[in-house]
Amino acid sequence: AQRVTQPEKLLSVFKGAPVELKCNYSYSGSPELFWYVQYSRQRLQLLLRHISRESIKGFTADLNKGETSFHLKKPFAQEEDSAMYYCALLSYGKLTFGQGTILTVHP
Amino acid sequence: GAVVSQHPSRVICKSGTSVKIECRSLDFQATTMFWYRQFPKKSLMLMATSNEGSKATYEQGVEKDKFLINHASLTLSTLTVTSAHPEDSSFYICSARTFADTQYFGPGTRLTVL
Repeated sequence: AQRVTQPEKLLSVFKGAPVELKCNYSYSGSPELFWYVQYSRQRLQLLLRHISRESIKGFTADLNKGETSFHLKKPFAQEEDSAMYYCALLSYGKLTFGQGTILTVHP
Repeated sequence: GAVVSQHPSRVICKSGTSVKIECRSLDFQATTMFWYRQFPKKSLMLMATSNEGSKATYEQGVEKDKFLINHASLTLSTLTVTSAHPEDSSFYICSARTFADTQYFGPGTRLTVL
C-alpha cells in the first residue's frame, strides 16, 4: 500500500532564509506526487505537481526516485508562506496525504 | 480556476439526527468527487469516492450505512451523516476531480454533534 510521510510536524524559519519541507513516499508503481497548501482559514489548494515541473510562488520540488522523496524547497522564505503544507501521492485516482507540516516564517 | 463549494460551512445537530452536506463544482463538471475527514491538525483521511450515476466506493473502515453518499449530477455530491453521534464531530471536506485529473477542494464543513 502507498504511504506518504512528512517527518516534520512544525518548521520555523526566519524571513529570507531557505526552507525545505520533507516528504518521503513508498509506492510500488511510478508515483505521481503533489504539494498542497492550506493557508489560515482557507481551503486546501494545489501548489504544484511533479509532472509539470513548474515553480509556483518560488517553490520547487524534485522527485528523487532513488531516495523516494519529493521535498519542497524555496530559497528565500516569505512571511506569507506561513501555512500548512501537505504532500500527496496519486494512486488509482485517489490521493493519499502525508500528515502535513506547519510552516511558520518569522519576520 | 475551478471552484468547489460546500454547504453548510458549519452545522450543529443533536445526537441521533441526520445531517446532509452538499458539495458542488461551480464551473466544471466532475464525474468523480471525494469526501475526506480532517481531524484537528492532522491529515485528511479519504472516506469515499463518489461517482456520478453509480454507487460510491468507501474506504476500509468507513461505514457506508452511516455515511450515505449520493452523486446525482455532474456538479453535485451529497454526504449524509445518519444518526450522528458526538464522535462524528469533525471537519468534512469534499473535492472534485477535473478531466485533467486535478482535484479541487471545497472549503469544508464543520460538524458538531451535541
